[in-house]
Amino acid sequence: NAGVTQTPKFQVLKTGQSMTLQCAQDMNHNSMYWYRQDPGMGLRLIYYSASEGTTDKGEVPNGYNVSRLNKREFSLRLESAAPSQTSVYFCASSEGWLNYGYTFGSGTRLTVV
Amino acid sequence: DAKTTQPPSMDCAEGRAANLPCNHSTISGNEYVYWYRQIHSQGPQYIIHGLKNNETNEMASLIITEDRKSSTLILPHATLRDTAVYYCIVRDPNQGGKLIFGQGTELSVKP
Repeated sequence: NAGVTQTPKFQVLKTGQSMTLQCAQDMNHNSMYWYRQDPGMGLRLIYYSASEGTTDKGEVPNGYNVSRLNKREFSLRLESAAPSQTSVYFCASSEGWLNYGYTFGSGTRLTVV
Repeated sequence: DAKTTQPPSMDCAEGRAANLPCNHSTISGNEYVYWYRQIHSQGPQYIIHGLKNNETNEMASLIITEDRKSSTLILPHATLRDTAVYYCIVRDPNQGGKLIFGQGTELSVKP
């Protein structure tokens, strides 16, 4: 089925380790986004890519880097994981940047110990 | 920061209409109102959006007041599967059209 695929679904890291969260969409969408959701909280935007070749910071970019590898893929990297980065990470995509809904992936549950 | 205010929780009887309010008193003329919901820990699901006119789709209706300072999401016949957190979001085209989520309304549909 068409949609947004995130890998891995679950991950446990030790403090200081690095990892990359992968996201791919097969809907030919132009814009892609990374959010994090802490327990009992709403989603907060980390980074977004309005179109292929561009990336911009969101509300909470510190400690993260992103790469828009091509139109389909948008990865999120944690260079040195910290316990404060324990969260559920959601990737989303949209056809355009304003008058279009987002399609979200099912999330990556990350625990940093 | 989120530009909307929603009640933290609401209950609704199964089969009844669920009316979820949202205040967005500082909305500007070119900002859209979006509604999403999140069931348990799944990824948020798009429901509906509008600018000025009322909108309806297969999931819900969106009623926007004439002054655009508030809106109501209506689920016409709520089912137990509609139990979720509902987010009302004002989307700012001057900020790249990003969706900024608030706390949402936790809707509980009861038998």
